[in-house]
Amino acid sequence: DGGITQSPKYLFRKEGQNVTLSCEQNLNHDAMYWYRQDPGQGLRLIYYSQIVNDFQKGDIAEGYSVSREKKESFPLTVTSAQKNPTAFYLCASRGPRPQPQHFGDGTRLSIL
Amino acid sequence: ILNVEQSPQSLHVQEGDSTNFTCSFPSSNFYALHWYRWETAKSPEALFVMTLNGDEKKKGRISATLNTKEGYSYLYIKGSQPEDSATYLCAYSAAAGNKLTFGGGTRVLVKP
Repeated sequence: DGGITQSPKYLFRKEGQNVTLSCEQNLNHDAMYWYRQDPGQGLRLIYYSQIVNDFQKGDIAEGYSVSREKKESFPLTVTSAQKNPTAFYLCASRGPRPQPQHFGDGTRLSIL
Repeated sequence: ILNVEQSPQSLHVQEGDSTNFTCSFPSSNFYALHWYRWETAKSPEALFVMTLNGDEKKKGRISATLNTKEGYSYLYIKGSQPEDSATYLCAYSAAAGNKLTFGGGTRVLVKP
């Protein structure tokens, strides 16, 4: 089945640690996105990539980094510079505009 | 940051009743308006992508309208069922760029 796989589903981080969230898609989509959701809020864009080896900052990129070395993969690293990393993280991909985005099941990150 | 607003934030609907809620977005540089349904413990699922002023889309008992000149879209649920309980997200896409700006969502609870 075509889709987006995020792993792990739950992730715990110690203070001062970097952690990487995985996002893989087999939909052959060029565009991929990372969002963050906090309780009671909508989705906020962290980073997005329109093509391999290219990515742009979203609205809340500080404390995060990404790479796009392969079309299928768009990992997100939450660095120690992110002061409030506890949140639910969603990855999405999209074909040519105006197609809708397809979402993974998300990763919930918590600080120990 | 673009302003996409959804109202109300939440609503309770009796099974069998119809309901509707609003998404407002910038009327300038409009490209597309997306609607997603997000059920608990699942990933967001695309309902509609609307691009033309006056557009109306329908999927089963759910329909949506679009007014790009005044910057709003309505989502209607006819004869609500418990399985319609979910958070409904709208997202605005500007003419330039490949990103979506999401509203905060309307959380719908259908009571049997």
